[in-house]
Amino acid sequence: NAGVTQTPKFRILKIGQSMTLQCAQDMNHNYMYWYRQDPGMGLKLIYYSVGAGITDKGEVPNGYNVSRSTTEDFPLRLELAAPSQTSVYFCASSYAPSYEQYFGPGTRLTVT
Amino acid sequence: GENVEQHPSTLSVQEGDSAVIKCTYSDSASNYFPWYKQELGKRPQLIIDIRSNVGEKKDQRIAVTLNKTAKHFSLHITETQPEDSAVYFCAASKDGGSQGNLIFGKGTKLSVKP
Repeated sequence: NAGVTQTPKFRILKIGQSMTLQCAQDMNHNYMYWYRQDPGMGLKLIYYSVGAGITDKGEVPNGYNVSRSTTEDFPLRLELAAPSQTSVYFCASSYAPSYEQYFGPGTRLTVT
Repeated sequence: GENVEQHPSTLSVQEGDSAVIKCTYSDSASNYFPWYKQELGKRPQLIIDIRSNVGEKKDQRIAVTLNKTAKHFSLHITETQPEDSAVYFCAASKDGGSQGNLIFGKGTKLSVKP
């Protein structure tokens, strides 16, 4: 099992550009999550999904969009990148809420 | 909504000493409390968790205690080793839809000096 995978590992964007962060899991988990991690601020939930075709906003959804067409994949879309979106992004999955979340290796994004 | 406070933000101990990290939560309905360890440049990984029907849980040198009345839970690491150096995050959640989503504390950077 590869677990949770993310691409790319690093990316530099110019202000106003768009990109998609890819996330995939091979554990057949219904629940998937996107977090951002800023220095000294812990992990903040951006969006989550409880299954294919079902997504919902977390704490900090502004400036992001998601889709979930399959159980395996949960891409995160950044539209009109801003410097405030400079962060490390983690995707995670779990069997159910209030169960262990398995994290991907992260994507370090810089917007300049 | 739920709010999780974590203290201290940094902790430095000598190898072999014990380390204690404390978290408080605001929602009395929260019933799941995991701890994640994140080494520098790596992903967070679960090290131990506890549910509200249990007061204490141990796994070798790691233990977690829960005080539901006071709404706080703590991570205890005994006989610390240099490889315990990392950032530790506590979190809380409760059953039911989006309420099962984890709310994380801001993290504690633990340094174990050889």
